[in-house]
Amino acid sequence: DTEVTQTPKHLVMGMTNKKSLKCEQHMGHRAMYWYKQKAKKPPELMFVYSYEKLSINESVPSRFSPECPNSSLLNLHLHALQPEDSALYLCASSQDSGNTEAFFGQGTRLTVV
Amino acid sequence: GESVGLHLPTLSVQEGDNSIINCAYSNSASDYFIWYKQESGKGPQFIIDIRSNMDKRQGQRVTVLLNKTVKHLSLQIAATQPGDSAVYFCAENWPNNAGNMLTFGGGTRLMVKP
Repeated sequence: DTEVTQTPKHLVMGMTNKKSLKCEQHMGHRAMYWYKQKAKKPPELMFVYSYEKLSINESVPSRFSPECPNSSLLNLHLHALQPEDSALYLCASSQDSGNTEAFFGQGTRLTVV
Repeated sequence: GESVGLHLPTLSVQEGDNSIINCAYSNSASDYFIWYKQESGKGPQFIIDIRSNMDKRQGQRVTVLLNKTVKHLSLQIAATQPGDSAVYFCAENWPNNAGNMLTFGGGTRLMVKP
């Protein structure tokens, strides 16, 4: 199994809503990541979890709150988002936090209205 | 006029020809590089990687070249097929004890004409 599974695939939410994005991998990877990708742009790193601990936060606004309940799961909790937060949110995982291949999920297409 | 960044650079090739996609990376301390392929509506898909102690690595139909002197990376695709049509990103890893900080380049759209 070399898959990173993200749910939901699409999400529309209002600016006052609270929602969560979910990511799951069963490759035994110990590093997991959230990236944000706007149209026609490269993915931008948001958060890195290494061995279930948050190791990198790329100055992401607090309306995005990551959580790593266990080594297979990664969540991104969303609250009070703005329309400009609409984007493709990508989860990735890698064997560890060193120089190893990162596998990406298919992403969640988020629209904030 | 157009704003920079609204349109991806595009490489258009004939089916069966070889393609070369170029990338300039930013950090001379980067020690690991990956090429990803991203099709419309999908996440990035790993193609090939290379470490900084190498200057060339070959896969099936793909070759990555690394020139650390000028901080340049290229991806060569042999006998390009319509299924190769996608956006290609290079990514560099900045050495960091905290984690794998993959930073992506701007991307190139490859269009294969049948």
